[in-house]
Amino acid sequence: DIQMTQSPSSLSASVGDRVTITCQASQDISNYLNWYQQKPGKAPKLLIYDASNLETGVPSRFSGSGSGTDFTFTISSLQPEDIATYYCQQYDNLPVTFGQGTRLEIK
Amino acid sequence: EVQLVESGGGLVQPGGSLRLSCAASGFTVSSNYMSWVRQAPGKGLEWVSVIYSGGSTYYADSVKGRFTISRDNSKNTLYLQMNSLRAEDTAVYYCASPSEGEGAFDIWGQGTMVTVSS
Repeated sequence: DIQMTQSPSSLSASVGDRVTITCQASQDISNYLNWYQQKPGKAPKLLIYDASNLETGVPSRFSGSGSGTDFTFTISSLQPEDIATYYCQQYDNLPVTFGQGTRLEIK
Repeated sequence: EVQLVESGGGLVQPGGSLRLSCAASGFTVSSNYMSWVRQAPGKGLEWVSVIYSGGSTYYADSVKGRFTISRDNSKNTLYLQMNSLRAEDTAVYYCASPSEGEGAFDIWGQGTMVTVSS
């Protein structure tokens, strides 16, 4: 199975800050990497697909980059509504695997 | 509007069985790569199973031999039959699918809670 190592596991930042989350795959997954946002009690929401493509309707402050084994997710200017847990996910091989999540809080 | 609606969750004793349903609208279950993903209380996301449009099925090792994914094309509904349930199967179960191809899950249901406890 491909292991997805996401860091940090939690993060506290101020409104307007630039926030970065990283995700490392245990083997090359090309660009088969997605990012999701999950708010408490809600289903995950797709933000970024195929490493760097912004899902329709998602604000442009969200972005993703990387390929191979190392990936980065960035919020360019943190907004109060961005408080959530963020997950990376690989779909290069079954089983699909997720990172352990990054809980983002407002400082 | 594309929508997935899960049902069938509840409280079940260890060793018991439960069948989850995921009814689709605006979306054809048989034409898509449909998955179940679960989330234990306070924990992260765990992929459980997938059924491809061609009918092939795959399972996480943690549920292999106990869970069965299937679909009813006439009802446009996905199922997860869960047998020999264990306490560690306690979770919210989501059905999820890409709207196109076999990529990212851009369509999710609201989830249904399964609690395995005596």
